[in-house]
Amino acid sequence: NAGVTQTPKFQVLKTGQSMTLQCAQDMNHEYMSWYRQDPGMGLRLIHYSVGAGITDQGEVPNGYNVSRSTTEDFPLRLLSAAPSQTSVYFCASSRTGGRNEKLFFGSGTQLSVL
Amino acid sequence: DAKTTQPPSMDCAEGRAANLPCNHSTISGNEYVYWYRQIHSQGPQYIIHGLKNNETNEMASLIITEDRKSSTLILPHATLRDTAVYYCIVRVVNAGNNRKLIWGLGTSLAVNP
Repeated sequence: NAGVTQTPKFQVLKTGQSMTLQCAQDMNHEYMSWYRQDPGMGLRLIHYSVGAGITDQGEVPNGYNVSRSTTEDFPLRLLSAAPSQTSVYFCASSRTGGRNEKLFFGSGTQLSVL
Repeated sequence: DAKTTQPPSMDCAEGRAANLPCNHSTISGNEYVYWYRQIHSQGPQYIIHGLKNNETNEMASLIITEDRKSSTLILPHATLRDTAVYYCIVRVVNAGNNRKLIWGLGTSLAVNP
C-alpha cells in the first residue's frame, strides 16, 4: 500500500515556466489537498477537493490550478512560475465523513524558482 | 491566521514524558484539536485528535481542558526518534461542511540522550 505518492521530489524552474506537481493516493480517499510550507510559517492550504470533479480554494490559491478527474489523482499546476512560489509542497488525503479525519501526507516536493 | 499558540521549542530527556502545551482560546464548539508531527522535512504524520474528551492511542495522549481553550499532548516515554516539530491544529468546519486545518508554527521538540 503506497499511500500518498508525490512526484517529483525536487524541481528547479525558471521564472515563467510551467509545471505540474503530481499527487496520487491508493486509499480510495475522497478528500485531497495541497499545502505549501515556507520557513517561519505554518503549512498553508492552496487548494482542496472533496471528490472527483469538485475543487475549492484554500488560503493561498493564486498562481495555482487544480483539477480532480479521478478519485486517485490531484495534480497541482503552476502556469507561470514565480520566485515567490519557491517552497516545499505537500499533498494530503483523507476519508470523507466521520470523526476520524486524519490526513495522510506525501513526502513532499521541493520546488525552487529562479 | 493560525488559531493555536505553541511554545517554539522544548527539550525532553530520553525516557521521560514529554508534555507539549497548546493554547486555542478562540476555539468554537464544533472545532476539533488535531496533533501532527513532522520529522526532518518529511510529510507531517498524524498523532491524535479530540473534541472535548481526553484521548489516548498507541502514540500519545491528548488532554483537553474543560473549557477547551487549551490542550496538552503527552508522549509518555520519549525516545530520540520523537525529535520533531509538533503541530497543534484546529479543524474548522465551514458552512458548506468543508473541513480545513489551520496550521501554526509548531513546537520543535528535542529529545536528548
